[in-house]
Amino acid sequence: EIVLTQSPGTLSLSPGERATLSCRASQSVYGNFLAWYQQKPGQAPRLLIDVTSNRATGIPDRFSGSGSGTDFTLTISRLEPEDFAVYYCQQYGTSLSFGGGTKVEI
Amino acid sequence: QVQLQESGPRLVKPSETLSLTCSVSGFSITSGYYWGWIRQPPGKGLEWIGSIHHTGDTSYNASLKSRVTISVDTSKNQFSLRLTSVTAADTAVYYCARHGSGQWLTSFQQWGQGTLVTVSS
Repeated sequence: EIVLTQSPGTLSLSPGERATLSCRASQSVYGNFLAWYQQKPGQAPRLLIDVTSNRATGIPDRFSGSGSGTDFTLTISRLEPEDFAVYYCQQYGTSLSFGGGTKVEI
Repeated sequence: QVQLQESGPRLVKPSETLSLTCSVSGFSITSGYYWGWIRQPPGKGLEWIGSIHHTGDTSYNASLKSRVTISVDTSKNQFSLRLTSVTAADTAVYYCARHGSGQWLTSFQQWGQGTLVTVSS
């Protein structure tokens, strides 16, 4: 099983700032098949980024993904108030697994 | 627009079987996508349980495989989850979701709202 480790656990930032979230895999993610989700309290996760860097339908361009192999990054260029949430990475190159999440808080 | 809705008992006794159904509307379950179950213990992260295709092909999380069965009912446009021998550790919000394509090794593009199932006597 590929274990995904997300860091930091919590990121304290202000609106307008840049957020950089890390997702590190215990082994190389085949095909760079890695996705990012956003989850707000009481809601289901929402797909943000697919295949490392492809934004899902309707996702604003302040969200971007990058990386390869074992190291992946989600960047939010300028935080909007609605971006404060928990973010999860998921790999689907070898079976399926999720990271433990990063909370972005004010 | 596809909508997914989980239903089933919210309280299950230890050692018994948890059963949930996901009703899909606005989209045919036979359209070629895979459909999955994911759970989230209170205050914790996400765990994939397993996925199914309308043909009946299934894939399961190895850590749960001995206790999980996922099935599909194309006539009702539904798929279901059975988890046997539950313990308190199985208390979680259970989500059903649609994969992004006709393979199970994909992301989850559409999610149900989730349902909290508590295991307690």
